[in-house]
Formats: sequence, C-alpha cells, structure tokens
Amino acid sequence: GQNIDQPTEMTATEGAIVQINCTYQTSGFNGLFWYQQHAGEAPTFLSYNVLDGLEEKGRFSSFLSRSKGYSYLLLKELQMKDSASYLCALMDSNYQLIWGAGTKLIIKP
Amino acid sequence: DTAVSQTPKYLVTQMGNDKSIKCEQNLGHDTMYWYKQDSKKFLKIMFSYNNKELIINETVPNRFSPKSPDKAHLNLHINSLELGDSAVYFCASSQDLVDRLNEKLFFGSGTQLSVL
Repeated sequence: GQNIDQPTEMTATEGAIVQINCTYQTSGFNGLFWYQQHAGEAPTFLSYNVLDGLEEKGRFSSFLSRSKGYSYLLLKELQMKDSASYLCALMDSNYQLIWGAGTKLIIKP
Repeated sequence: DTAVSQTPKYLVTQMGNDKSIKCEQNLGHDTMYWYKQDSKKFLKIMFSYNNKELIINETVPNRFSPKSPDKAHLNLHINSLELGDSAVYFCASSQDLVDRLNEKLFFGSGTQLSVL
C-alpha cells in the first residue's frame, strides 16, 4: 500500500527559511506534488517533482529523492502570508493522488 | 472570474435529509472530481469523472452520487445524511484525468457540511 508522512505542525520566524519534509512508501511512483492550503480555502498547486533533484520557483523550492522516498518543500524569506497548511501528494502507479494530512506552518513576527 | 466554483459554502442540515452541492468550472477542463477533507485534514478522492468515464472510490457509500449535466458541471447528491458525513467537500478539475505527468488540480473553495 501507500503511506505518506509529514509533520503535523511547524513554526518559523518571518524572514527565515523553513523546510517541510515528506516521506512516503509506495509500490509505484509517478511524481510528487506540493499544494498550499490557507485556512478555510482550497488547496492551490505549488510544485511537482518526478525526477530526483531540486526544482526552484521563486521563494519556494521542492526536492525529491526517489531512492529514499523523500521530498521536502523549502520556503525562503518567509512572509506572514505563508502561514498555511502544506500538503504533500503522491501520484501512484495507477495515476491516483494519495494525499498527506498536511503540515500546518505558523509564521511568527 | 472564478475558475472552479461550488455552492453552497456552508451547509447545515439534519440527519436523514437529502442534499446537493453544485460545482461548475469555466476552465474548459475535461475532468472533474469530488474530494472529502475530514477533520484530520486528509483529502480523499470520492469520484473522478470525464465525459467518458466515472471512477468511483469503492469506499464511498452509495448514498453519494455524482450528477453531470454537461462537461462544465459535476454536482454531488447525498441521500440520507449521517453524522459522519460532516466534512469539507471540495470540487476540483483538471485538463484531463490526472494521468499525465504534472497535471495540476484546480480546486473550488469548498463546502463545509455539518450534519446535526
């Protein structure tokens, strides 16, 4: 079966850097997504990785290691508006998305 | 213009009632979905639907049924509501079934259903 783990909650300071980890176990893999979800709102797409390595998009970067079953989302120059939940989602061999429970990120001034 | 819109945003109802949630997308996408997000924040797929195929998550009770009058709409009907149905329901769409690499999902703003 599949399993996704990510920390429940993290706290960081405005202007700092934070890394949100996601580990997974799966028998088939077709990529890993990160979505951002503000409280009471819909998830919005952040990134997609299917090959090993780092993908950078402005202040946000996402990393994947398929051999380790590991990904992280790196947020730089944190802003208060980055306070949200960050959802890791795995696309399995049947092209189904399996979602993690999300990491609630709290940014403090 | 809102890309994926769903109504109502809040729905409070009694056990045993039948209710519907509407969803519309103006992105020209081929595929629409219904997700349930429970209190622990897990997103679980309920249905995916395009004009060719309805895929049902086998764990979804048959009290839940999707209705699609056309490609831009996928409504969710729920019969005989139960307390455990209380959750946030998200509609979503994508260009095709999420079977092409890097296919993004676009979500509606969610419907918070409370069954009393």
